[in-house]
Amino acid sequence: RKEVEQDPGPFNVPEGATVAFNCTYSNSASQSFFWYRQDCRKEPKLLMSVYSSGNEDGRFTAQLNRASQYISLLIRDSKLSDSATYLCVVSRAGGTSYGKLTFGQGTILTVHP
Amino acid sequence: ETGVTQSPTHLIKTRGQQVTLRCSSQSGHNTVSWYQQALGQGPQFIFQYYREEENGRGNFPPRFSGLQFPNYSSELNVNALELDDSALYLCASSLEVGSRGYEQYFGPGTRLTVT
Repeated sequence: RKEVEQDPGPFNVPEGATVAFNCTYSNSASQSFFWYRQDCRKEPKLLMSVYSSGNEDGRFTAQLNRASQYISLLIRDSKLSDSATYLCVVSRAGGTSYGKLTFGQGTILTVHP
Repeated sequence: ETGVTQSPTHLIKTRGQQVTLRCSSQSGHNTVSWYQQALGQGPQFIFQYYREEENGRGNFPPRFSGLQFPNYSSELNVNALELDDSALYLCASSLEVGSRGYEQYFGPGTRLTVT
């Protein structure tokens, strides 16, 4: 079983749609959680960190459920520029652990006119 | 932009050769991590350097090695290149290791092709 698993995708949605990505992680020692986006042939860029209480940044809302080891990302009012691969990422940073990021395979999102 | 730079941008090598990739971290960041991303996959952790010492290593063979310099820039060296080493190599810098929830910022990557 992979340490971080995401929806297989791809997702193809019209502009203005709401889309949700789900992710599960297997290591209960994970302490930090992130969503990165990656455009084709570019580097991953940090979209948002995910906090236990959930957090929102404009059209993006992230949720974390530690008991279920589940992370989600909701994108409202999708824009063409949201088209990218979305990567779910966990880390065991903290204490004496080093901050290795473990990535999911990524989910491709295409927003069409 | 993250302020993390990598060189070269692209590289073509022959199987069996050696390669050195370079990374300059974001100003003030003392930790550098290296990742390998094969086509269609998420990045895989290679190793991390903190204050010039290796601070953790992923499941990569010893022919993958690295260095971090006093200015926190870093090198990734790969010996005896294999075809499967063809990938995007990403460097990420961060401010602190051991603190909860620190974030890593990626450079543009070096695309290595081994023929």
